[in-house]
Amino acid sequence: EAGVAQSPRYKIIEKRQSVAFWCNPISGHATLYWYQQILGQGPKLLIQFQNNGVVDDSQLPKDRFSAERLKGVDSTLKIQPAKLEDSAVYLCASSLDTPRDGYGYTFGSGTRLTVV
Amino acid sequence: AQKVTQAQTEISVVEKEDVTLDCVYETRDTTYYLFWYKQPPSGELVFLIRRNSFDEQNEISGRYSWNFQKSTSSFNFTITASQVVDSAVYFCALSEPRRTGKLIFGQGTELSVKP
Repeated sequence: EAGVAQSPRYKIIEKRQSVAFWCNPISGHATLYWYQQILGQGPKLLIQFQNNGVVDDSQLPKDRFSAERLKGVDSTLKIQPAKLEDSAVYLCASSLDTPRDGYGYTFGSGTRLTVV
Repeated sequence: AQKVTQAQTEISVVEKEDVTLDCVYETRDTTYYLFWYKQPPSGELVFLIRRNSFDEQNEISGRYSWNFQKSTSSFNFTITASQVVDSAVYFCALSEPRRTGKLIFGQGTELSVKP
């Protein structure tokens, strides 16, 4: 099966600009996650969707970050306006359902954002 | 609160040495899962192992082995006879299926295996 697709692979923007990342999960996967991985740190969950509903967005900086998954399939994460500290890799992951058995997470290759 | 701590930021070994990566976790749940992921320079997260909280048996897979001890809340990872291709960042993670099922990662250990 195809993996989790993310684009773009790399992005360089100036601070205060806006940027959007796209994720297409594995077909049929109901749960979609966006993680932020700052250099030298482990990934941190930004937002979790179950179908097109938000399950957890407690760590999402809502003043500048937004995410949507309108049809319960692919998702877009947006940053507006970007700050220097937003430089990170943004990882998308999906699972068939909320992984209550601990299996099923598949990660994409990520989008590396550099804010200058 | 749920937390995963990997106290070793960087480890450097010479090829064929054994190396152990430490992981300590905190959770109030009795049902949880522990994971190890490998992140090579290309950036993707590669799943290595999953362990549930009711299974304390140690596991061996080729040169990899895992030691799960609930009494010390640790889930350590050993690579025997390390190889240059093992060079990567390794992450330990925790998930609590009775909550949202999200993964909580440690800060990672960067392993460098020199020839």
